[in-house]
Order: sequence, then structure tokens, then C-alpha cells
Amino acid sequence: EVQLVESGGGLIQPGGSLTLSCAASGFSVSNNCMTWVRQAPGKGLEWISVIYSGGLINYADSVKGRFSISRDDSKNTLYLQMNSLRAEDTAVYYCTRDLFTGSSGWYVYWGQGALVTVSS
Amino acid sequence: DIQMTQSPSSLSASVGDRVTITCRASQGISSALAWYRQKPGKAPELLIYDASNLQSGVPSRFSGSGSGTDFTLTISSVQPEDFATYYCQQAHSFPITFGQGTRLDIK
Repeated sequence: EVQLVESGGGLIQPGGSLTLSCAASGFSVSNNCMTWVRQAPGKGLEWISVIYSGGLINYADSVKGRFSISRDDSKNTLYLQMNSLRAEDTAVYYCTRDLFTGSSGWYVYWGQGALVTVSS
Repeated sequence: DIQMTQSPSSLSASVGDRVTITCRASQGISSALAWYRQKPGKAPELLIYDASNLQSGVPSRFSGSGSGTDFTLTISSVQPEDFATYYCQQAHSFPITFGQGTRLDIK
């Protein structure tokens, strides 16, 4: 059974750093396209970043230069390193896996979400 | 960036009603469109991909159509579990973008 479990969320002051983890089971993160999507409280969904099986990476402009996506194939875990956090980064962060192993942009598996609150 | 605009933003329906939600892309995206259902406090669920392909395990009352810039999601007979928020999403080009959401409420 495919499962994604996020951890690492919490309350952080503006300008601070936080790393989210997404532990995967039932498949290999190294063979799949993995994406982070976030949702601010009461708002819609926002695509943040993707890492392809081959290692290619892309970011939304809103986080480029501040956030970094990575994976540890030995731990079968996806990460999102978040630096220089702002109040507008407050959101539930979801890790997702694509429907197809190559790449598709169709997010079929989602974690339960990790809440990040940026506030002083 | 490709803007995705859903209409309506909210609608009310009764169990058994037929419901249609529209999504318009700011430029042509071929059939690179998905629909998701999100229940309160839960992660979104993929319903439709490639504009009209029903994801495995999704009830057949859901259907999608369209290509280019105009797309629709239809629920043929709304069930109690369908009262939720629906999002469209384009996968044609980066950045991936979502519609603002359509909230389906009980009438």
C-alpha cells in the first residue's frame, strides 16, 4: 500500500528555517516524480516544487531561492528545506506522488499534510 | 503563468442533482487538466486526469470533458460524500496551477 507521511511542521518565527520530511512506503521515491503542494488556511492549492526521478528540479517563483527540494533514496524520504520563512508561507504542506512513474502532473497520492505557521 | 478560472465559486445542490463545474485556462492546455475533490480537513483526491480519464476507484458518476481552454466536471447524481470543494489543475506547463476552487454545499 502506498503511503506518504509528512513530519517537521510547526511554529517558526519570520526569517527562520524549517525542514519538512515525507516518508514514503509502498514505492520508491527514486523512481517517481514527487511534488510539494501547499494550502494556506482557508485558501486554494499552490504548487511549490517538483523533483523528477532523474533528479531534475523545478520551483514556483514564490519560493525560488528560499526553498530546496531533495530526497534520500536510502531512507525513501522526500524533503523540503525552507529558509527565510515569511508569514505568507503559513500553510499546510502536502507531499504528493504522480500517477505515472515517468512524469504526469497528476497527483494521485497525498500525505496527510504538515502545518507550518510563520509568526512572531 | 497559466491562470485557471473556475465557475461558479460556490453552488448548492440536493442529493441526486446533476452538477456541472467549469474551468477555463488563460491559454490552450490541450487536455492537460485534472480535477480534484477535497473534503474538509483532508488532502485532495484525484478524480479525473487528462481532462476525461476517470481515476481508478472513482465512482462513474464523475465525468470530465473539454480541451484547449474550456473544461467541465459533471457529477451525474450528487451523493452526500460529494459535498466538498473541487479544484481543477493544469499540467501543461510550469508552474503547475490550480483553479481557485468551487465549493459544493447542500441545498
